[in-house]
Amino acid sequence: AQKVTQAQTEISVVEKEDVTLDCVYETRDTTYYLFWYKQPPSGELVFLIRRNSFDEQNEISGRYSWNFQKSTSSFNFTITASQVVDSAVYFCALSEADRDDKIIFGKGTRLHILP
Amino acid sequence: DGGITQSPKYLFRKEGQNVTLSCEQNLNHDAMYWYRQDPGQGLRLIYYSQIVNDFQKGDIAEGYSVSREKKESFPLTVTSAQKNPTAFYLCASSDRGGDQPQHFGDGTRLSIL
Repeated sequence: AQKVTQAQTEISVVEKEDVTLDCVYETRDTTYYLFWYKQPPSGELVFLIRRNSFDEQNEISGRYSWNFQKSTSSFNFTITASQVVDSAVYFCALSEADRDDKIIFGKGTRLHILP
Repeated sequence: DGGITQSPKYLFRKEGQNVTLSCEQNLNHDAMYWYRQDPGQGLRLIYYSQIVNDFQKGDIAEGYSVSREKKESFPLTVTSAQKNPTAFYLCASSDRGGDQPQHFGDGTRLSIL
């Protein structure tokens, strides 16, 4: 069965600190896709990144970076030099190749960046 | 601008009443989805549709109904059979394929009067 676990329910850090959000997934498929979404206080989920199971290269986009490790079934998200605007709920999600286009979401991590 | 529009932003339901949440997209996406979000619960799939005139139940379909008569529209009806409807409802759309990210609307917050 597919499952996404975000063990950190809530995190608070002071602005400019680095913070890592953990994501662990379970799947029996060899082809799957991992996603991160951001949900700011306005409510809309914003797509951040997609990774497929055959691409374990880490990715960096500005202050954001993602570490995908198949050996530990993890897809962690790091924000460097955090800013108050990063305060949001962050969701990790998993989609398997033949699952009717459905995405399974973790329960989310609420991130507070304190000024 | 392309996107997903959900309306209304806030909705109140009386006991025994059916209410309909609107979701419209102009992204030309084939697939559309409805999720329910409760505090600390993440997103749970209610219904999804991969093509016009077809839809499937998600994990928590009881007490809800949908239709997909047009590609751009996927309304959700919360029926009186849904005993705990207070939640934040999110609509999403995507191209077909498990690798396609979903694009979300701003959500509708439903409360019981």
